[in-house]
Amino acid sequence: DQQVKQNSPSLSVQEGRISILNCDYTNSMFDYFLWYKKYPAEGPTFLISISSIKDKNEDGRFTVFLNKSAKHLSLHIVPSQPGDSAVYFCAASVQGAQKLVFGQGTRLTINP
Amino acid sequence: EAGVAQSPRYKIIEKRQSVAFWCNPISGHATLYWYQQILGQGPKLLIQFQNNGVVDDSQLPKDRFSAERLKGVDSTLKIQPAKLEDSAVYLCASSLAPSDEQYFGPGTRLTVT
Repeated sequence: DQQVKQNSPSLSVQEGRISILNCDYTNSMFDYFLWYKKYPAEGPTFLISISSIKDKNEDGRFTVFLNKSAKHLSLHIVPSQPGDSAVYFCAASVQGAQKLVFGQGTRLTINP
Repeated sequence: EAGVAQSPRYKIIEKRQSVAFWCNPISGHATLYWYQQILGQGPKLLIQFQNNGVVDDSQLPKDRFSAERLKGVDSTLKIQPAKLEDSAVYLCASSLAPSDEQYFGPGTRLTVT
């Protein structure tokens, strides 16, 4: 049972444009959502998070949107830069940042 | 500040052999996690320690996997005997407290032939 799903295995975006990565979840008990970024041969690194009491959180070029009624969240990166090329994982939990349930990941490629 | 250290980085073994992975968390981090990441999937939590006690091992295949964190600092994850489906990257993560941000190590890539 895949509780967190990222339906796009890959995404290609032109440098300077907006990148939008999507994530859907099924467990209505999830109350905390995170995005992680992973480069090859490295562990995931935390990018941005959002609590279920909010519908938007912004940090520089990164914004996460949460639509609880649709059980959907998205990560917007604008403007996209070559260094943003990586695999992005969506994760969710019912107890803060512990017991994370991860999606399958989306490979983002930023083209010059 | 030093990050989460893991060793070895790569390991190739034959099925039915045993293997052990080591993790040294960030200094002062009380919570330690082991994850399994199979190719094409996201990380899956295997076990969570709080200091030297197990908080959650509900997804750990206990017939072949074991983990310990005897002194509440570094940790070892063992597989005995290994199966082909154990081929994956094993990630260790740590956090100051259970609900704090997790910091991941680089992982150990295990190939079982």
